[in-house]
Amino acid sequence: DAKTTQPPSMDCAEGRAANLPCNHSTISGNEYVYWYRQIHSQGPQYIIHGLKNNETNEMASLIITEDRKSSTLILPHATLRDTAVYYCIVSLFVNAGNMLTFGGGTRLMVKP
Amino acid sequence: GAGVSQSPSNKVTEKGKDVELRCDPISGHTALYWYRQSLGQGLEFLIYFQGNSAPDKSGLPSDRFSAERTGGSVSTLTIQRTQQEDSAVYLCASSLSVSRGNTIYFGEGSWLTVV
Repeated sequence: DAKTTQPPSMDCAEGRAANLPCNHSTISGNEYVYWYRQIHSQGPQYIIHGLKNNETNEMASLIITEDRKSSTLILPHATLRDTAVYYCIVSLFVNAGNMLTFGGGTRLMVKP
Repeated sequence: GAGVSQSPSNKVTEKGKDVELRCDPISGHTALYWYRQSLGQGLEFLIYFQGNSAPDKSGLPSDRFSAERTGGSVSTLTIQRTQQEDSAVYLCASSLSVSRGNTIYFGEGSWLTVV
């Protein structure tokens, strides 16, 4: 199964772009990269996911390297409400089921 | 409903009692997942359903845990003879199907405290 490695914590100034890295060097060709975030006491919030092409939505952009061994989540203009734990997940396909395995994540602190 | 709905949002129970947690997935979602998150810990996958069937129950922590889904919609997670180590947030999620690349949406969780 593909594991992910993320820095345990990061700081970002309010209004600046937050770039959150993730390594997934053992990812296989048909495994997707998902990003979620969890704000204290709330359920995980879906942000974005992709396979090999870069993706953008109203929340963030996802940049996946050509070899797919790493990716970066970009929050273009971080706000204080973006302070959360961000999880990079490579989905597992187990017993015909798409399963997400959450690691430790990156605790992003957005500062004024 | 608009999102994944879970009930109760909070439950305090005495050790040894049974509890039942309910999940109402997003309308039209055939896949449903249960996770558990202990205080300060990551999410632990428990079980998933495709329709009414659960192909793999090996993620359930013990035989005191069971889950069912009827009618392809609402699911219940039952914990029998609760123990203090069962205290956690139980999170439910759903997706259109179990196929790769589907977006999986989470509910706000059921906070269980066993005293």
